This record gives sequence, C-alpha cells and structure tokens, in this order.
Amino acid sequence: GIQVEQSPPDLILQEGANSTLRCNFSDSVNNLQWFHQNPWGQLINLFYIPSGTKQNGRLSATTVATERYSLLYISSSQTTDSGVYFCAGLNTGTASKLTFGTGTRLQVTL
Amino acid sequence: GAGVSQSPSNKVTEKGKDVELRCDPISGHTALYWYRQSLGQGLEFLIYFQGNSAPDKSGLPSDRFSAERTGGSVSTLTIQRTQQEDSAVYLCASSVVGQGVQPQHFGDGTRLSIL
Repeated sequence: GIQVEQSPPDLILQEGANSTLRCNFSDSVNNLQWFHQNPWGQLINLFYIPSGTKQNGRLSATTVATERYSLLYISSSQTTDSGVYFCAGLNTGTASKLTFGTGTRLQVTL
Repeated sequence: GAGVSQSPSNKVTEKGKDVELRCDPISGHTALYWYRQSLGQGLEFLIYFQGNSAPDKSGLPSDRFSAERTGGSVSTLTIQRTQQEDSAVYLCASSVVGQGVQPQHFGDGTRLSIL
C-alpha cells in the first residue's frame, strides 16, 4: 500500500510566525486530504486537495501530484492552531481506505 | 444531520466485556469507513462499506472485531471480549461515491477505555 511521510514530526512556533508542513507519498494518489486534530481529539477537515492550490483564510495547501507531495502553509499562526496535522492519501483505483501519515504536532506559544 | 454522528462519545468498560459503537453517516453518503487511533498514533483503517457490496474487512485486527451496516445507513462496530490494547479512539467517516473521487468526512469519534 501507499506510504505517507510527514515532516517535521514536531514544530514549536511563536504566535504570528508562518510555517510549512510537508507530506510525501510513495505512490500516486487521487484523493489527498489535510486534517487538524485539535486538543480535544476532533479531526477537522482542512483541505481536499488531490492537485493544485487552495486557500482558506490563513491556511493554504498545494499538491504537486506528479511529484507526489503536498504542502500545508500556516500563516500568522495563533494558539488555536495548536494540535496535530495529518495528511492522508488514497488511490481509488487500488484501495478504498485513506492511509494517514504519522502527523506533525504543532505547538503555538504566546 | 449535518455531519457524521458517533455514539457514545466516551465508553469505559472492563476487560472481557463486549462493546458496541455506533456511526450515523451523512445523509446520502453511500460509503462508510471505520478507523481507529491508538494513543499518540496515526489513524489505521479497520473496515469499509459501500452500498450493497461485500465490506472490505482487511483492516480488522482480530476476529473479536466485527461491523455491520443495516439498511445502507447506520453502522455498528462490535468488539467482543475487549482487551486493554483495544483502548483507542474509534472514528467513523462517510463519503459520496459515484461523482468522481470525493473526500471522507469524519465524526468526532468514540473514546474507548478498557480497564
């Protein structure tokens, strides 16, 4: 199956800083999603982005499908951005399940 | 409802007991997935239902785990003779199928603790 690698594993930012999280896939995917798991354990859908670029407020994501990676950008970080960010991918031609990376744990401090 | 609904939100039970976890998908979503997240880990796939097709059970960790989906809507995940290693958050997701590839939408999960 697909292998998903996320980097960095841990990140500490001061409020207001920007950051880039990366997700690499071992094989092509046609479903790619970014999630934020908040401190209460809820998994929040951030982006569905199998290719291209999307923006939602201070967050944006870019997927380069031909090179099998995706980036999540967080600008002007806030303490509420803290939590774990997961990317997950799936190739519907070969599987039905999303394969998750091990996540990037982000802590935003004052 | 507006999103995927799971119940109970928390469940504490003694080792050896059976538990049932419920998932109510988004209305109109024909695909339903169960995942679990053990402490400090990523999410691992358990089982997938799509319409009337035979479910993909390839992720179930043992024969103590089973799931059913009645009427193409609500699903129940059952764990028999629970063990401490079953402690985890169990997440359900649903998606639309048949309109190209669609994202999976997750519920808030059931946090299961085995004493």
